[in-house]
Amino acid sequence: AQSVAQPEDQVNVAEGNPLTVKCTYSVSGNPYLFWYVQYPNRGLQFLLKYITGDNLVKGSYGFEAEFNKSQTSFHLKKPSALVSDSALYFCAVRDMEYGNKLVFGAGTILRVKS
Amino acid sequence: DTEVTQTPKHLVMGMTNKKSLKCEQHMGHRAMYWYKQKAKKPPELMFVYSYEKLSINESVPSRFSPECPNSSLLNLHLHALQPEDSALYLCASSQDPGTAGLYEQYFGPGTRLTVT
Repeated sequence: AQSVAQPEDQVNVAEGNPLTVKCTYSVSGNPYLFWYVQYPNRGLQFLLKYITGDNLVKGSYGFEAEFNKSQTSFHLKKPSALVSDSALYFCAVRDMEYGNKLVFGAGTILRVKS
Repeated sequence: DTEVTQTPKHLVMGMTNKKSLKCEQHMGHRAMYWYKQKAKKPPELMFVYSYEKLSINESVPSRFSPECPNSSLLNLHLHALQPEDSALYLCASSQDPGTAGLYEQYFGPGTRLTVT
């Protein structure tokens, strides 16, 4: 079965510093990987995805993610964090049996302090 | 327009009430989804509609009844709910009604449901 793991419940970073939110995956076959962000009392917003091609994926709001097949990871990164980046972040992978079904990680709370 | 709208934003209902949640998108997407989300937890898939037909039902209790009247609308009918059904209900849509899984899902802001 497909799964993603987000090993950190919470990540704290100072404004202006680089941030990383970690995600590792376990799938049979080629993974299609997604990152979503959820601000308080809001729905999820799509940030970026990896389907195939370049291992470095650029997305919305200055975020990027690196697909690493050997480490089965898809970590979300941003060079310089903003206080407004504080939110709940979810990594997700396509279900191999039902392609339009997503399997979500548990989520990571990102807190950026000024 | 990449917006998914949901009404109402908040809903309080008793365990004997009947109510409906509504979702609308005008992106031409042919897959629509209902999720349930508890605080600080990932969304849990409830139902998927592909080309207006129910394609996935994640063993959801029958007190939740989905309906897809047309390609732009998705309803969730609620009846005889329990307090543990209180949650944020999210609607989403995507371009991908099939099994490829290539396309991202666009989420609405959700309906905050409280069952008393």
